[in-house]
Amino acid sequence: RKEVEQDPGPFNVPEGATVAFNCTYSNSASQSFFWYRQDCRKEPKLLMSVYSSGNEDGRFTAQLNRASQYISLLIRDSKLSDSATYLCVVNRRGNMLTFGGGTRLMVKP
Amino acid sequence: GAGVSQSPRYKVAKRGQDVALRCDPISGHVSLFWYQQALGQGPEFLTYFQNEAQLDKSGLPSDRFFAERPEGSVSTLKIQRTQQEDSAVYLCASSLIHGPYEQYFGPGTRLTVT
Repeated sequence: RKEVEQDPGPFNVPEGATVAFNCTYSNSASQSFFWYRQDCRKEPKLLMSVYSSGNEDGRFTAQLNRASQYISLLIRDSKLSDSATYLCVVNRRGNMLTFGGGTRLMVKP
Repeated sequence: GAGVSQSPRYKVAKRGQDVALRCDPISGHVSLFWYQQALGQGPEFLTYFQNEAQLDKSGLPSDRFFAERPEGSVSTLKIQRTQQEDSAVYLCASSLIHGPYEQYFGPGTRLTVT
């Protein structure tokens, strides 16, 4: 079993839709949590950190449930430019980041 | 300012050849990481440097993989006697200080072993 698991998708949604991704992690010692975004054939870039109390950045909302060991990302009012792969990322020790396999989002006109 | 740069961007190697991949981190960044990303997968951790010290190499898949950062800035990932399963994108990332902070990724080197 992988340490960080995500539904690979693709999620195909129309512009303006709300879409949610979940991710589960297996190691309860995990300390920090992030969502990264990766466009096709590009490098990953930090989208947002995920805090226990939940946090919002514009149209994006991230939630963490430590008891159930899952992380979620909600995107409201989807834009064409949101089409990308969303990587769930967990930090377990030191600087080491463990990435999920990614969830692919396709926003259609 | 300049981001993380990597060279070459693309490398085709015949099976059994040695390759060297270079990473120039953001100036002043203490931490440097190497990841391997296979097609359709997320990046997998290979190794981590804090300045010139290699603090974690637990992700290196075999003793054919070797990384160095002798002066605490530029890093080289070397793969000896390449195999087809080494074909992947090799990503370098850097961060300003030690800790689980944002890592800035380079564009990667796409290695194809034929």
